[in-house]
Amino acid sequence: QVVESGGGLVQPGGSLRLSCAGSGFPFGRYAMSWFRQAPGKGLEWVGLIRSEDYGGTIDYAASVTGRFTISRDDSKSIATLQMNRLETDDTAVYYCAKGAGGTYRGFSWFDPWGQGALVTVSS
Amino acid sequence: QPTLTQPPSVSGAPGQMVTISCTGRYSTAGYDIHWYQQFPGTAPKLLIYGNNNRPSGVPDRFSGSRSGTSASLAISGLQAEDEADYYCQSYDNSLSGHVVFGGGTKLTV
Repeated sequence: QVVESGGGLVQPGGSLRLSCAGSGFPFGRYAMSWFRQAPGKGLEWVGLIRSEDYGGTIDYAASVTGRFTISRDDSKSIATLQMNRLETDDTAVYYCAKGAGGTYRGFSWFDPWGQGALVTVSS
Repeated sequence: QPTLTQPPSVSGAPGQMVTISCTGRYSTAGYDIHWYQQFPGTAPKLLIYGNNNRPSGVPDRFSGSRSGTSASLAISGLQAEDEADYYCQSYDNSLSGHVVFGGGTKLTV
């Protein structure tokens, strides 16, 4: 399973860090991805970090590039989403999920998903 | 606009069958489609992977199919507890990161 933590209320321009703890699987062998869902809206992909077998490289959605940073600590089975320069449009429930392998390919899915962490950006 | 197009809503009576379509574009052609089920206030759950495969525990009332740039999720023998939002997900080779979702379909039973 995966469990997110670290959500909360933050002012526009502020920062917040979310953590995603994995258990029950060899964390270091899998890509981990972050998603978000704004109130009443659909799912949006935020970013993905590949396993070290695939260089630990990271991709981001255009909407968060330059503001959000994804990292991983395989020794602790934790993935982290550092969010800076937050905007009101970043208000959403943020989910992390385990990839189907060490990277993302044309056949890849995400499972399981965490319970989500609510991030509210408001003054 | 989402890269994958789904109808905003579908409905059916208990016991009936409904299908939810997911239409992509040239940049998603040939890649697998996956489906997720989401109940209000809860996390998405993988329902179908690799176009037509069910994870353990998913009833065989749920089935998926794929053809060209389109895919469908079929739910037979509708039950009240199937009422949820359904999302398709795939790979887009024209985008950095490549992960794309449909806009979601609300199923009303």
